[in-house]
Amino acid sequence: SQQGEEDPQALSIQEGENATMNCSYKTSINNLQWYRQNSGRGLVHLILIRSNEREKHSGRLRVTLDTSKKSSSLLITASRAADTASYFCATDAGGYNKLIFGAGTRLAVHP
Amino acid sequence: DAGITQSPRYKITETGRQVTLMCHQTWSHSYMFWYRQDLGHGLRLIYYSAAADITDKGEVPDGYVVSRSKTENFPLTLESATRSQTSVYFCASSGTVGFEQYFGPGTRLTVT
Repeated sequence: SQQGEEDPQALSIQEGENATMNCSYKTSINNLQWYRQNSGRGLVHLILIRSNEREKHSGRLRVTLDTSKKSSSLLITASRAADTASYFCATDAGGYNKLIFGAGTRLAVHP
Repeated sequence: DAGITQSPRYKITETGRQVTLMCHQTWSHSYMFWYRQDLGHGLRLIYYSAAADITDKGEVPDGYVVSRSKTENFPLTLESATRSQTSVYFCASSGTVGFEQYFGPGTRLTVT
């Protein structure tokens, strides 16, 4: 069973536009993480937000967490063609760092 | 080279054969994980390990065996491969509870 559900499943935008991806989950968490996966490659960690945090920034990335709604969003500002990838949210519900991943959002940024 | 590596990167095997996927990390991370990724799905946890000689099942452990005799290695064995085990397998490691995981490049396994 998947804890996280990303929305939308696919997103297509032009360079310079902002991209927003959403993630919903089902149980209480210790933290929520976002990962990027370029086609045919491994996952790369982007940002981690803990359950007592509401917002976090890293460069052009902004992540929010609403534990009352069990949801998170990832905003990529001023997108670039190099941002084209799949983005996954993953929840850590506690214990041994086990993560449960959502099915991901496929982002295509067109020049 | 430092980091986390997987071998082989690509493997084709026949139904019923045993196959072992290797994972090696150079950070001395305590935690290691095996995931599988199927088309249209995110990653699903197969097995994880909190330290050498400590392993436990994840979400989809059936048909897989792991061992961890050394901190840096975490091999995954398919005892008798089935077509349903055709997938991309990712190994990951993490140094501390509550922090990010670092992923290997993946092994694409095809079972014919």
